[in-house]
Amino acid sequence: RKEVEQDPGPFNVPEGATVAFNCTYSNSASQSFFWYRQDCRKEPKLLMSVYSSGNEDGRFTAQLNRASQYISLLIRDSKLSDSATYLCVVIPYTNAGKSTFGDGTTLTVKP
Amino acid sequence: DTGVSQNPRHKITKRGQNVTFRCDPISEHNRLYWYRQTLGQGPEFLTYFQNEAQLEKSRLLSDRFSAERPKGSFSTLEIQRTEQGDSAMYLCASSLDRSTTNEKLFFGSGTQLSVL
Repeated sequence: RKEVEQDPGPFNVPEGATVAFNCTYSNSASQSFFWYRQDCRKEPKLLMSVYSSGNEDGRFTAQLNRASQYISLLIRDSKLSDSATYLCVVIPYTNAGKSTFGDGTTLTVKP
Repeated sequence: DTGVSQNPRHKITKRGQNVTFRCDPISEHNRLYWYRQTLGQGPEFLTYFQNEAQLEKSRLLSDRFSAERPKGSFSTLEIQRTEQGDSAMYLCASSLDRSTTNEKLFFGSGTQLSVL
């Protein structure tokens, strides 16, 4: 079993739709969680951190469920420019050197 | 440009040859990471440095791979006797070590290696 698992998709949604991705992690001691975005043939870029209480950044909302060991990303009012691969990232414990990436969920927003 | 810089952007080599990649991190970042990514997969951790010390290596990193960060600034990743399975994007990232807060990675554009 992979340490971090994501539904690869693809998710194909119309502009304006709301879409949600989940990511599960296997290490219950994991401390830090992030969502990164990766455009085709580009490097990953940090989208947002995920805090225990949940957090929002504009149209993006991230949630953490420690009991079930998953994190989620909700995108409201999807834009064409949201089309990308979304990578879930888990750090097993504070100050660890190794960030573990999921294989990503691909989103395509269509006009 | 004060981001993470990687060279070369592309490398084509023949099987059995040695290759070396360079990464220049963001100047104030003391942590530097190497990841490998193949199509359809997420970045896979290879190794990381805190300053000049190599603190962790993935068990996936065979003895043909070696990384250095001699002065705690730039880093090199060398692959000896390349194999076709080494073909991938090699990504470097850096971060500022913060012991109590979330660690955010800043990636370079990567070096795409093709082994023929």
